[in-house]
Amino acid sequence: GAVVSQHPSWVICKSGTSVKIECRSLDFQATTMFWYRQFPKQSLMLMATSNEGSKATYEQGVEKDKFLINHASLTLSTLTVTSAHPEDSSFYICSFISGGNHNEQFFGPGTRLTVL
Amino acid sequence: EDQVTQSPEALRLQEGESSSLNCSYTVSGLRGLFWYRQDPGKGPEFLFTLYSAGEEKEKERLKATLTKKESFLHITAPKPEDSATYLCAVQVRGAQKLVFGQGTRLTINP
Repeated sequence: GAVVSQHPSWVICKSGTSVKIECRSLDFQATTMFWYRQFPKQSLMLMATSNEGSKATYEQGVEKDKFLINHASLTLSTLTVTSAHPEDSSFYICSFISGGNHNEQFFGPGTRLTVL
Repeated sequence: EDQVTQSPEALRLQEGESSSLNCSYTVSGLRGLFWYRQDPGKGPEFLFTLYSAGEEKEKERLKATLTKKESFLHITAPKPEDSATYLCAVQVRGAQKLVFGQGTRLTINP
């Protein structure tokens, strides 16, 4: 399957600071990428859909000014958590859709964010 | 509203004890049903995509099947390394995003 990387794999920050998470597709150019959040023992919740060169589409209840998404190229998307608070602590996972007719979605390894 | 329900929430099996995980779905129109495996602290790993009722796919000890209302993930003679959370997700016709179920935490005891 396709390879997706995320950086960093974990981060600890103080409340009020901003954190940027990078997601890269290593062997495929992705026009569409997704960002998910996962709380302990819960399933994945879609936060937003990111299309290269255009603004991201956010799911209901997700603050677009707090979770900034940039999909500047076909291989890189970033999620910036601005003015992070303890309730933003979670596991953030990116994914992208493969090409062709299969429309399969491949996920990154995730980033564990802890806000103190 | 599109919904995905997985059962059971958790399942403990002895090594070699075969079983099935269920994924029931209600969608306006199914484009595809996906199965993923997720280990603790890691992202989901793609297993299968099923597109139409009657379709089956196999990979090692796993076999996924699909009907118009549900999908099963059959695990045959499981090993401890098969322990993980198994996630089911649907993609609705005309959309790209996935709607996930809550997952089944599978534990295989040696």
